[in-house]
Amino acid sequence: EILLTQSPATLSLSPGERATLSCRASQSVSSYLAWYQQRPGQAPRLLIYDASNRATGIPARFSGSGSGTDFTLTISSLEPEDFAVYYCQQRSNWPLTFGGGTKVEIK
Amino acid sequence: QVQLVQSGAEVKKPGASVKVSCKASGYTFTGYCMHWVRQAPGQGLEWMGWINPNSGGTKYAQKFQGRVTMTRDTSISTAYIELTRLRSDDTAVYYCARDLDQVGINWFDPWGQGTLVTVSS
Repeated sequence: EILLTQSPATLSLSPGERATLSCRASQSVSSYLAWYQQRPGQAPRLLIYDASNRATGIPARFSGSGSGTDFTLTISSLEPEDFAVYYCQQRSNWPLTFGGGTKVEIK
Repeated sequence: QVQLVQSGAEVKKPGASVKVSCKASGYTFTGYCMHWVRQAPGQGLEWMGWINPNSGGTKYAQKFQGRVTMTRDTSISTAYIELTRLRSDDTAVYYCARDLDQVGINWFDPWGQGTLVTVSS
């Protein structure tokens, strides 16, 4: 089973600041990595798939990069609605697995 | 628009079974695989398996083999997950999530609203 480790666990930032979230895989997942956003009390929402492709309707301030074992989700300028928990997910190997999440909170 | 609407919250005793439904609309139900993901209170996401609504074929995470069954009723565009021999650590919100693409690429979009299953004596 591929283990995904996300860091930091919590990121405290102000609106307008840049957020950089990390996801590290225990073995190479090529580019088969996605990012999801989960706001409190809501279901997750797909943001990025195949490491760098934005899902339909996702604002351009969200971007993904990386391949192999190291991946980054960047939010260029935080909007109030971006304060949430973010999860990475791999589809390279069964079972499909998620990282433990990074909470982006208001500083 | 594509929408997944799940059944309501359930409270079950340890050892019982639960069946959660997920009704799809806004697209061809048999054209996309459906995944099930759960989230224990305050915890992360855990993939449980998927069903191909066209063939009925399934793939389950090994952790749930023998306790989980995923089915579908194409006449009403609804997918189901049944979990048996419930334990307290099965308490979680259970989500259905459609595959992003018809070829089955194992990204999840969109998601249902979630169904809270509470296992308590």
